[in-house]
Amino acid sequence: EIVLTQSPGTLSLSPGERATLSCRASQSVSGNSLAWYQQKPGQAPRLLIYVASTRATGIPDRFSGSGSGTDFTLTISRLEPEDFAVYYCQQYGYSPPHWTFGQGTKVEVK
Amino acid sequence: QLQLQESGPGLVKPSETLSLTCTVSGASISSGNYFWGWIRQPPGKGLEWVGSIYYDGRTFYNPSLKSRVTISVDTSKNQFSLKMTSVTATDTAAYYCARTSGSGDYNYWGQGALVTVSS
Repeated sequence: EIVLTQSPGTLSLSPGERATLSCRASQSVSGNSLAWYQQKPGQAPRLLIYVASTRATGIPDRFSGSGSGTDFTLTISRLEPEDFAVYYCQQYGYSPPHWTFGQGTKVEVK
Repeated sequence: QLQLQESGPGLVKPSETLSLTCTVSGASISSGNYFWGWIRQPPGKGLEWVGSIYYDGRTFYNPSLKSRVTISVDTSKNQFSLKMTSVTATDTAAYYCARTSGSGDYNYWGQGALVTVSS
């Protein structure tokens, strides 16, 4: 079973700054099947990025994903007030189908 | 527009069975190469995949929960359901139903249902 480790646990930044979030897998993620979600308090997670670098429908281009194999990154180029939230990475394994989430990174206002 | 809505008891006693239903509107559960899944989140903690059912009826479960979990589908009602037996306080969580895209990520989510396990 692949374990996803996100770092840092908390990121304290100001609006307008750049946020860089890391997700490291314990073994290579098949087909770069790695997604990123944003979750705000009291809300369901929202898909931001899938297959490591493709933005989901309606996601602003300040969000970008990169990486392959075991190391993946979510970058928010300039933080907007609505971007302060918790972010999770998730991988999809094929045989058998299974899903694993990272423990989350909280992006908070500095 | 695809919508998912969880329903079920918000309070379950320890050792009893948790039962939740996800009602789907805007698409048929039995069409398309999609997984319909359950993901849970204990208060203040992260997300955990519970299990999923494929459009053809095959089920897949988190190994850590497999002995206690059953996911089934009722195509006539366009619903899928979760049953978890022998619950304890550690099963207290918001339970989300969700659907994958063709890439395995969950791009449609219900609003979540909080289930508390307590006597």
